[in-house]
Amino acid sequence: QKEVEQNSGPLSVPEGAIASLNCTYSDRVSQSFFWYRQYSGKSPELIMSIYSNGDKEDGRFTAQLNKASQYVSLLIRDSQPSDSATYLCARKAAGNKLTFGGGTRVLVKP
Amino acid sequence: NAGVTQTPKFQVLKTGQSMTLQCAQDMNHNSMYWYRQDPGMGLRLIYYSASEGTTDKGEVPNGYNVSRLNKREFSLRLESAAPSQTSVYFCASSEAGLAGAGGVYEQYFGPGTRLTVT
Repeated sequence: QKEVEQNSGPLSVPEGAIASLNCTYSDRVSQSFFWYRQYSGKSPELIMSIYSNGDKEDGRFTAQLNKASQYVSLLIRDSQPSDSATYLCARKAAGNKLTFGGGTRVLVKP
Repeated sequence: NAGVTQTPKFQVLKTGQSMTLQCAQDMNHNSMYWYRQDPGMGLRLIYYSASEGTTDKGEVPNGYNVSRLNKREFSLRLESAAPSQTSVYFCASSEAGLAGAGGVYEQYFGPGTRLTVT
C-alpha cells in the first residue's frame, strides 16, 4: 500500500460547481498535510496546509482532515477553468520531508 | 527575486553518459531537496540537504549523487545515466526545522528539468 493514495482522475467538474478531492494515508503518526496544485508542465505550488482535525478554509478552497479515518480532502468551490490542474496531496514525513500522492487531475468545463 | 532556479531546462542523454543538474535558491533557505516526477507517481524524494554541509538519502537515491556546494546551491549528479532515469526533476528549498504545532515550512519548487535518457 502506498503511503499516500489519490484517485488519478480525471475529475470532470462543470464551471461553478464544487470539486471534491480525496486523499488517504497509511501512517497513523502523520500530523501535517498539504495540497499542492500543479499546472501542466509547471512546478507544484502550495495552496493549503492542515494540521488539526476539522475544516480549514482559504478563499474558495477548504481542506478537511480526519485523522481517525486517515483521510484528507480538498473542496474547490465555484470551480473555474483556471482550476484545471493536477492536485497533489502530501504528508509530512520525518524532519521536513514530504511524501506525495500520485495526484488527481481536475478538469473544469465551461 | 528569482526564487529557485534550475539548469538545464531540457536534456537528452545517451545511456551511460553523465551529467549534473544545477539548482540554486536566493531565499536564504537552509534546506534543499531533489525530487523526480514520473507519470502517476507524484513526486519522489531522491536526496535532501537539511542544512549546509549535510545531505541524506530520500526514497529513490540509487543512481544519483548530490553535493551541497554552499547554502545557495545543491546539485544532482547522474554518473551513468539509464533509461529508467528519464523523468522530470524538481529542486525545492525551505526553511529548516518545524514551523510549530506539527507544521512544516513550505517547500518552494524550481521550474524543473526534463531529462530523457535514450
